Amino acid sequence: AQRVTQPEKLLSVFKGAPVELKCNYSYSGSPELFWYVQYSRQRLQLLLRHISRESIKGFTADLNKGETSFHLKKPFAQEEDSAMYYCAPARVPGTASKLTFGTGTRLQVTL
Amino acid sequence: ETGVTQSPTHLIKTRGQQVTLRCSSQSGHNTVSWYQQALGQGPQFIFQYYREEENGRGNFPPRFSGLQFPNYSSELNVNALELDDSALYLCASRSSGQGFHEQYFGPGTRLTVT
Repeated sequence: AQRVTQPEKLLSVFKGAPVELKCNYSYSGSPELFWYVQYSRQRLQLLLRHISRESIKGFTADLNKGETSFHLKKPFAQEEDSAMYYCAPARVPGTASKLTFGTGTRLQVTL
Repeated sequence: ETGVTQSPTHLIKTRGQQVTLRCSSQSGHNTVSWYQQALGQGPQFIFQYYREEENGRGNFPPRFSGLQFPNYSSELNVNALELDDSALYLCASRSSGQGFHEQYFGPGTRLTVT
């Protein structure tokens, strides 16, 4: 069965500290993976997709097929990064739809 | 350009009843997906509609059904409500065609089944 796991419900870091939000997946084939973010009182929105290899708001995520992981990283956390983060593989490659979301990790950045 | 809107914002129903949730897709978007987000969980894919036809479904029973209209707005219908159907229901829309098209989410409808 296709599955995505985010082992941490809550990750609390100090401002300026590195951040790593973990995501492991169990998927056949070559899934396309996304990170979504939900800031307080805002809608769920796309943060980045692995295929674009971009850095968005200082965040990067590398797909490690050997470890079946897609961890989200940022070298220096900012207060505005506090939010709920979801890892989401797409059922259909090339589309950001029919997504399977993990349970999410709440990132709390404190001073 | 308006974003995805959903109605109602929240509602309370009794077990066994039926409910209809509505979604207006973002201008120019012809594909709509519905997700169920239970408390403390990530959103779970229910189904997707493209040009008024269902073209993908998650692991949800047939009492979850939907419609998409010619203006690409959509409805989610749930029959014989169960307590476990209590959740936030999210609608998301995107356009289609070649290339990557981001999916945009609505604010959700909070359904409580008592």
